[in-house]
Amino acid sequence: QSVLAQPPSASGTPGQRVTISCSGSSSNIGSTNVNWYQQLPGMAPKLLIYRNNQRPSGVPDRFSGSKSGTSASLAISGLQSDDEANYYCAAWDDSLNGPVFGGGTKVTVL
Amino acid sequence: QVQLQESGPGLVKPSQTLSLTCTVSGDSINSGDFYWSWIRQPAGKGLECIGRVYSNGNTNYNPSHKSRITMSLDTSKNQFSLRVKSVIAADTAVYYCAGTQVGSEAFDIWGQGTMVTV
Repeated sequence: QSVLAQPPSASGTPGQRVTISCSGSSSNIGSTNVNWYQQLPGMAPKLLIYRNNQRPSGVPDRFSGSKSGTSASLAISGLQSDDEANYYCAAWDDSLNGPVFGGGTKVTVL
Repeated sequence: QVQLQESGPGLVKPSQTLSLTCTVSGDSINSGDFYWSWIRQPAGKGLECIGRVYSNGNTNYNPSHKSRITMSLDTSKNQFSLRVKSVIAADTAVYYCAGTQVGSEAFDIWGQGTMVTV
C-alpha cells in the first residue's frame, strides 16, 4: 500500500480536462513539495511537474499542478491520445526520511 | 545532457545477491551536481525508491530494505551500483537508476530500466 493515495484510474475524451488527486499527510505533502511523473506504456517515468506546479523544459502547458494542505493535484487540459499513461505523485516523507510515491493513476483517453 | 544506463544480470537465483550498475554520461559522478538513486517497479505495480548515494559516497536507504542493500560509487568508471543480498521472488522488478540535481527534490533524469527476475 502506497504512502500517497491516488485514484487507480481516470479517463476523458479528447479535448477534455482530467484531474488526478494525490493525498498525503503532514509528514510528506503537508511539509514539502510534490512532484509528478508520467510513465508512458513500456517506458521509464519522466518528470512532469516539480515543486508543486513547475514544468520542466519541454513539458506542454496543458499539464499543471497544484497543492493545498496535505493534498495535491495534477490537471491535464486539452486531453490528447498521447496522454494515455500512468501518472505518479511523489514527495519527501520526513517520517521515513526518504521519497515516497503514490500508487499511480492510469489515464485513459476514450 | 546527462544520461543514465542500467546494466546487470536479468536473472538471479533466490538467496543470491543481485548486482546492478548505472553508467552516467554527461557529468562526473562525483561533481556534486547530482545525487543518485535506485527505484524499482514490480510488474503492474507502482514505484518504490530503494535508496540513494551522494557524490561523496554517503548513502541513505529505504528502511524497508536497509538490512539487505548496499549502494556505492565507482568514480573510475563514472558508475554507481546497487547490491541486494538474499533476494526473494518479491525482488523481481524493473530497476531504474535516477539522478536528482542538487537543490531539486525530484528525480530529474532516469535510466531506461532493467528487468530483474528472481
